[in-house]
Amino acid sequence: DAGVIQSPRHEVTEMGQEVTLRCKPISGHNSLFWYRQTMMRGLELLIYFNNNVPIDDSGMPEDRFSAKMPNASFSTLKIQPSEPRDSAVYFCASSFVPGGTNEKLFFGSGTQLSVL
Amino acid sequence: SQQGEEDPQALSIQEGENATMNCSYKTSINNLQWYRQNSGRGLVHLILIRSNEREKHSGRLRVTLDTSKKSSSLLITASRAADTASYFCATDRGAGSYQLTFGKGTKLSVIP
Repeated sequence: DAGVIQSPRHEVTEMGQEVTLRCKPISGHNSLFWYRQTMMRGLELLIYFNNNVPIDDSGMPEDRFSAKMPNASFSTLKIQPSEPRDSAVYFCASSFVPGGTNEKLFFGSGTQLSVL
Repeated sequence: SQQGEEDPQALSIQEGENATMNCSYKTSINNLQWYRQNSGRGLVHLILIRSNEREKHSGRLRVTLDTSKKSSSLLITASRAADTASYFCATDRGAGSYQLTFGKGTKLSVIP
């Protein structure tokens, strides 16, 4: 298995532009998570999908952030418009969650986002 | 606030020495996990310990859990330069909880 695949690996954009991050989870996993990592705040959970349905988006910082999971093999995280404070590494992670209890996350390599 | 907090924030040791990292948390958990992150990479799962377990081993890793003190420790024995990475503990919020909360990590440097 190729693991969790994220694209792009690096994204540099200007303030105000739309940014779309992509994630392909591991086949067979039923849960997908988007995390953001910064030096100041560490790893923050942004949103959690179970069986393609958003379960908890309370970590999404603002309405500028949106996430979708149209099918079991693809998810996007969109920031529109982007701001410099959105600069961070964004990770996608997937897992198989039997009975709702999280056992182990598999992380992608992340997208390093820089908003100028 | 962080559910898990690692201590120390940074640790530097010589190759061959043992490295111990600690994690404290605030609320009851179902299990606690440790992850490693190499520079510029995603996190990799190392080991999971359940709330009814006190100690667990995996290769050179030894994890302990004290639920009365709400703390865990990760011991890496006979460290190698390749163990240089950041180590994170992750906790859930009890049985049926999907959400894992990560601490800010311990940055381990193993000097050859």
